[in-house]
Amino acid sequence: GAVVSQHPSRVICKSGTSVKIECRSLDFQATTMFWYRQFPKKSLMLMATSNEGSKATYEQGVEKDKFLINHASLTLSTLTVTSAHPEDSSFYICSAIAGGGTAGELFFGEGSRLTVL
Amino acid sequence: AQKVTQAQTEISVVEKEDVTLDCVYETRDTTYYLFWYKQPPSGELVFLIRRNSFDEQNEISGRYSWNFQKSTSSFNFTITASQVVDSAVYFCALSPRLRAGKSTFGDGTTLTVKP
Repeated sequence: GAVVSQHPSRVICKSGTSVKIECRSLDFQATTMFWYRQFPKKSLMLMATSNEGSKATYEQGVEKDKFLINHASLTLSTLTVTSAHPEDSSFYICSAIAGGGTAGELFFGEGSRLTVL
Repeated sequence: AQKVTQAQTEISVVEKEDVTLDCVYETRDTTYYLFWYKQPPSGELVFLIRRNSFDEQNEISGRYSWNFQKSTSSFNFTITASQVVDSAVYFCALSPRLRAGKSTFGDGTTLTVKP
């Protein structure tokens, strides 16, 4: 089946630094990918929709300048947490739609755990 | 608007017991997908099942079974003869078919299976 891979799976960084998380669709092209955030013991919250070749669409309350999303190719979306602070520590998960458009089958990556010291 | 409710926050069972995780959803979409995911302590999301709103057949996969009742907007998940390795957080999710990424997740049910 289709596979979505995230890298790194775990990252620890110092406060004030920026961290990039990659989301790749390994065996299919994804014009649309999605980024979620999961707080400890909480559910997943959609942060933004990543669109290949155009700007990402952010959900209400998500800081665009804090969470930079780039979807430069049909198989790769990146989430950069800029000037990270301890409150940005979280589990970030991406998903991608196989089959193109917005109506295909949805697959999730394994997630990336960010810890900001 | 969509909503997914997993009323059971935590469930604890003893190994070999059967356990059912409840999921109730609300949506105005006529076509949608329902999902169950497992999140073990290691954190990654593991896909368990996807059900199309058109397909109300129940499904069994090994010790796992799912009961989709469109009339009551429920998509319950049963683990038969539970094992310690089943201990995890289980999420139910709803996704509109034509806006697949706009998934709404329930708050999750933490299942603990004791030996």
